[in-house]
Amino acid sequence: NAGVTQTPKFRILKIGQSMTLQCAQDMNHNYMYWYRQDPGMGLKLIYYSVGAGITDKGEVPNGYNVSRSTTEDFPLRLELAAPSQTSVYFCASRRGGTGNEQFFGPGTRLTVL
Amino acid sequence: AQRVTQPEKLLSVFKGAPVELKCNYSYSGSPELFWYVQYSRQRLQLLLRHISRESIKGFTADLNKGETSFHLKKPFAQEEDSAMYYCALINTDKLIFGTGTRLQVFP
Repeated sequence: NAGVTQTPKFRILKIGQSMTLQCAQDMNHNYMYWYRQDPGMGLKLIYYSVGAGITDKGEVPNGYNVSRSTTEDFPLRLELAAPSQTSVYFCASRRGGTGNEQFFGPGTRLTVL
Repeated sequence: AQRVTQPEKLLSVFKGAPVELKCNYSYSGSPELFWYVQYSRQRLQLLLRHISRESIKGFTADLNKGETSFHLKKPFAQEEDSAMYYCALINTDKLIFGTGTRLQVFP
């Protein structure tokens, strides 16, 4: 199993540009998540999904959009990039139920200039 | 509100010294708690979960409902323990993370 994969690993955007961060998992997990990690701030939940066709906002959803058309994929869209979106983005997935581990992708380092 | 607090941003110890990384939580109900670790240039990975009552890499954590704490402990720190440690709480379908503690173990 590849686990949770993310592309790209690095990206530099100009203010106002758009991009999609890709995330895929091959563990047939229902739950998928997008976090951003800023220095000293821990991980903040952007969006999450409990199954194909279902998405919900986390703590910091503004400036982002998601879709979940399949169980495997959970892309994160930035429509108008802003410097405040400079961060490391992590995708994660989890099987539902008590005590189940959440698996993380390797992260995407995004810089907006 | 459901919250996880890690009061220390940085904890520095010498090899062989005991380590305690603090985690306090706020949750109405029976909490489900985890410790995740992120080694340099690696992805986050699960270290341990409270329901398993396990010891991983010499680390243990006990849930104390009276003090609403889930501190991570290791009696003798190793240099390879240097990493970022996150305490996390399941809230409905989501993991809520603390701000993390960086552990530095000096030789």
